[in-house]
Formats: sequence, structure tokens, C-alpha cells
Amino acid sequence: GAGVSQTPSNKVTEKGKYVELRCDPISGHTALYWYRQSLGQGPEFLIYFQGTGAADDSGLPNDRFFAVRPEGSVSTLKIQRTERGDSAMYLCASSLNGGGNEQFFGPGTRLTVL
Amino acid sequence: AQSVTQPDIHITVSEGASLELRCNYSYGATPYLFWYVQSPGQGLQLLLKYFSGDTLVQGIKGFEAEFKRSQSSFNLRKPSVHWSDAAEYFCAASTGTASKLTFGTGTRLQVTL
Repeated sequence: GAGVSQTPSNKVTEKGKYVELRCDPISGHTALYWYRQSLGQGPEFLIYFQGTGAADDSGLPNDRFFAVRPEGSVSTLKIQRTERGDSAMYLCASSLNGGGNEQFFGPGTRLTVL
Repeated sequence: AQSVTQPDIHITVSEGASLELRCNYSYGATPYLFWYVQSPGQGLQLLLKYFSGDTLVQGIKGFEAEFKRSQSSFNLRKPSVHWSDAAEYFCAASTGTASKLTFGTGTRLQVTL
């Protein structure tokens, strides 16, 4: 079956603009995660959804970052007033129902803020 | 604070040689432990995981890892490396109930022919 997909694969924007990054999880997976990976670093946790609700948003760096998952499937990560420091690879993962289940990762969206 | 450390940023091995990538964790209790591989343009792929039980874990692509509680380590090994193993390798941990993965900074593996 299809894996986790993310769109767009690349996004270039200007400082101060608003961006949305989309994640389509594996069908039937109730848990969805967002991570951010800067160059030369490991992925860093941003937010975890169980169904439609954010079960853990402790990794969101500030209030410019927001994520939704209104129907418990597709999720959108929203970044307001982008800054150059937001430039990174944004990874989405899904798992069957959270806990210690394997997280399947998408290919990521590379965000570049000029 | 919970953390995962990968001491080696970059490792080069010859094809056919054995490989060991180091990983240490700092958690209050034994976490769930994972090794992922990331190839250029590819998503992270799970190689293996340890939850409990047998401390030697077998994974895909001929990889294995050994959990050592006394050393807080979960090192990844492969007896004979292939050129296609060149990639970035990440060790990760979670507490299970918290679900989120904490990753190390990664080890880049280069394989020479």
C-alpha cells in the first residue's frame, strides 16, 4: 500500500510569509507525528496527534507554529511569519496507534526561507 | 533530560569489513530503542527496534544491535558491509507511552570499494 506522503517536496518562501506543509499518513494509522531536521542534525519532535487531537505539542518551538488534523487523517503544519531559522527538512510519520509502534516516515518537505 | 548520543559523526569502512555504530542513551528508565537509516532523497527507514527481552536484536538488511543496560548502549553492527549501506544512521529512543522519538545526531557511513 501507499506510504506516508508529504507535499510539497520543496518549498521556498520569503521571510515573513506564511506556509503550509501537508502530510498524508498511511491509511488506518491513528497516530501522526511531525519532526524537524536541520542540516547535520537528527530529527527533532514537534507534535504528535492521536486521532484528531494533539496529544503532545511540547516540541513546537513557538506560537508561530501550529498543526491541525481535523478529520484524523491528513495533517497540515502551518508556520506564520517565517524566519530564516525555520529553514529545515520537515518530516511526517504515522504509526498504527502510537505507543511503541513503528513510525513510518515520509520523504519530507524541504523548507527554505530566504 | 532524556537524550541519545551518537559519538561518531562520520565513519568510513571498506566493503566487506565489519561495522559497529555506537549509541548511548540517557533516560530514567530503559526506553524503547530504535535504529533508522536515511539515504539521500529517502525517508527514514526502520532497521530494528528493542522493547524488552532478548538483548540481541536482529533487523533488516543483515543488521543487528545489542542492548547493554550496564553501559546504557544500543550499538548497531553488521558483519560485512556492502557499498549500498552508505547512508546516515540514526539511533532513537522513546518512552513508549510518550510516543515521540528522541534522535541522536546521526552517523554518516561511507563505504570504500
